[in-house]
Amino acid sequence: QVQLVQSGAEVKKPGASVKVSCKASGYTFTSYGISWVRQAPGQGLEWMGWISAYNGNTNYAQKLQGRVTMTTDTSTSTAYMELRSLRSDDTAVYYCARYSLTASDPWGQGTLVTVSS
Amino acid sequence: QSALTQPPSASGSPGQSVTISCTGTSSDVGGYNYVSWYQQHPGKAPKLMIYEVSKRPSGVPDRFSGSKSGNTASLTVSGLQAEDEADYYCSSYAGSNNRVFGTGTKVTVL
Repeated sequence: QVQLVQSGAEVKKPGASVKVSCKASGYTFTSYGISWVRQAPGQGLEWMGWISAYNGNTNYAQKLQGRVTMTTDTSTSTAYMELRSLRSDDTAVYYCARYSLTASDPWGQGTLVTVSS
Repeated sequence: QSALTQPPSASGSPGQSVTISCTGTSSDVGGYNYVSWYQQHPGKAPKLMIYEVSKRPSGVPDRFSGSKSGNTASLTVSGLQAEDEADYYCSSYAGSNNRVFGTGTKVTVL
């Protein structure tokens, strides 16, 4: 079955960077994109962007431009999301999902990133 | 890109129906038939319930249905069951490879 498994929880200090991984299985990795969505505690879902696993093309949410980088490693069917210059309001659960124009499905289990001094 | 507007809450008794609205603009909901709906239980990852406005993925009960009129999409849950109590989010393609989510609606089964 299609499955996305994310890396474990992280605790970072303000100004640091975090890199979350998302390993896909059960489908042809390069036939879809990977989207990233985050959810701050008690808040709604926020679209961060997506990457084409076929050619590496990316599209990032405007508010994260310059701080986020999404990459893929097709040899291991793994996607990565790196967020730099972390602030306290970056504290959130970060989700990856298999992405196509129609929808994001399925989703990974989520990775809690806590930014605290 | 502004979030799509959803009512904060909705409720119904078991067996009743509840409809959640999702209002955007002609640049997102009104401009494309790429509206999807997600169900999220506390502490869990979102689950796709509806895609392309009204299509149901395999395994999603036919109690869930979607529609769209102009800049507003809707999700209807018929025959409410206890396990339908969750947060629901709409999402729409917004052009230029961007997507936007709704503000979320908490559905309570009374």
